[in-house]
Amino acid sequence: GEDVEQSLFLSVREGDSSVINCTYTDSSSTYLYWYKQEPGAGLQLLTYIFSNMDMKQDQRLTVLLNKKDKHLSLRIADTQTGDSAIYFCAETRAGSYQLTFGKGTKLSVIP
Amino acid sequence: DVKVTQSSRYLVKRTGEKVFLECVQDMDHENMFWYRQDPGLGLRLIYFSYDVKMKEKGDIPEGYSVSREKKERFSLILESASTNQTSMYLCASRTGGHGDEQYFGPGTRLTVT
Repeated sequence: GEDVEQSLFLSVREGDSSVINCTYTDSSSTYLYWYKQEPGAGLQLLTYIFSNMDMKQDQRLTVLLNKKDKHLSLRIADTQTGDSAIYFCAETRAGSYQLTFGKGTKLSVIP
Repeated sequence: DVKVTQSSRYLVKRTGEKVFLECVQDMDHENMFWYRQDPGLGLRLIYFSYDVKMKEKGDIPEGYSVSREKKERFSLILESASTNQTSMYLCASRTGGHGDEQYFGPGTRLTVT
């Protein structure tokens, strides 16, 4: 079945760049998403990328997609303490109502 | 401002009780979802609904049922709560369009004692 894998933890220093990685198995994935969950809150969409794109940039966020390797990454430039959260990778495919989520990567930013 | 609201942020129930978790969205979305979130397991889909009175089982439906009598409301029911259902429950909604954002509620932390 479909699977989305992420490492569980990442720790970076304030001001450095963070790179959160994700791999997925479903080659028919059409959209790939990054969600952010702050402590005690629900998930908020950060950004998404369509599968025919290689890269998407939105202010401090850069999403890279390697469709051949089924690898997705989220780069956060100039990481701030407010970026400390759990980041979820998710994918969906054409014709499906559902998103398949990874287990989430907990990003800790050290002041 | 789009909103998905959940009836309770925290809930404590006893084993064997019937539990209702309510979710309401004000965006006229067709699709609504219930997930549970557990440490190390991420989000797991319990049930979803793509229209009023329609429901589909997700990955872990056992021990749960749902109700969608109105488009804006999707209820999760634990017929007889058990301690292994202690978890964070997240409701979400989205339109039927691919690539559209899935909006999440703030979550209900349920403890079954």
